[in-house]
Amino acid sequence: GAVVSQHPSWVICKSGTSVKIECRSLDFQATTMFWYRQFPKQSLMLMATSNEGSKATYEQGVEKDKFLINHASLTLSTLTVTSAHPEDSSFYICSALSPGSRGLVNTQYFGPGTRLTVL
Amino acid sequence: AQTVTQSQPEMSVQEAETVTLSCTYDTSESNYYLFWYKQPPSRQMILVIRQEAYKQQNATENRFSVNFQKAAKSFSLKISDSQLGDTAMYFCAFMKLGNYGQNFVFGPGTRLSVLP
Repeated sequence: GAVVSQHPSWVICKSGTSVKIECRSLDFQATTMFWYRQFPKQSLMLMATSNEGSKATYEQGVEKDKFLINHASLTLSTLTVTSAHPEDSSFYICSALSPGSRGLVNTQYFGPGTRLTVL
Repeated sequence: AQTVTQSQPEMSVQEAETVTLSCTYDTSESNYYLFWYKQPPSRQMILVIRQEAYKQQNATENRFSVNFQKAAKSFSLKISDSQLGDTAMYFCAFMKLGNYGQNFVFGPGTRLSVLP
């Protein structure tokens, strides 16, 4: 139980275009999801907290106009990288906070990640 | 602010042996959760084990167990009978109960290699 999917698993785009990444909790409802960025051989860096039906909370230094987050339902959150540039190339990971119906309560379960390459 | 420290950037262990990964954290909270996550080469983050701070009993999950020392703010992970599939990055994480997101803090990670 407590399965989180993420799509696409990898994407290559041209500089200046926008890319949307989807994060879905498959077997539980998640009022809270998180978006992380991970650079090679480094830990996860929290970008924002996504709450269903309300605006996302962004970490300091993360541009909210560049990284648009929408949590439209209890099972889906999306991250849109707008006007992508090569420095946005990274590995993006989402997670969903389990309410306890699947998995352990108050525990994050992670998607498999999306590798974004901006040319 | 909470911080999580993992003092061993890299470790190795022979297959079937036991290894312990260390983690210390700093917090003024009394109620929180601690986690160990594993990230194999596939980069999928996998929950290994969770400890609730109010529980004195150390959590165990099959070959994985923790040594939780609340007063010392220490949370080490012991892997028994190490297997090749245990090769991964291991992240220690802290979460303040009742508050999410920015209060979920990851350590820098320990890269574990299990040698045949």
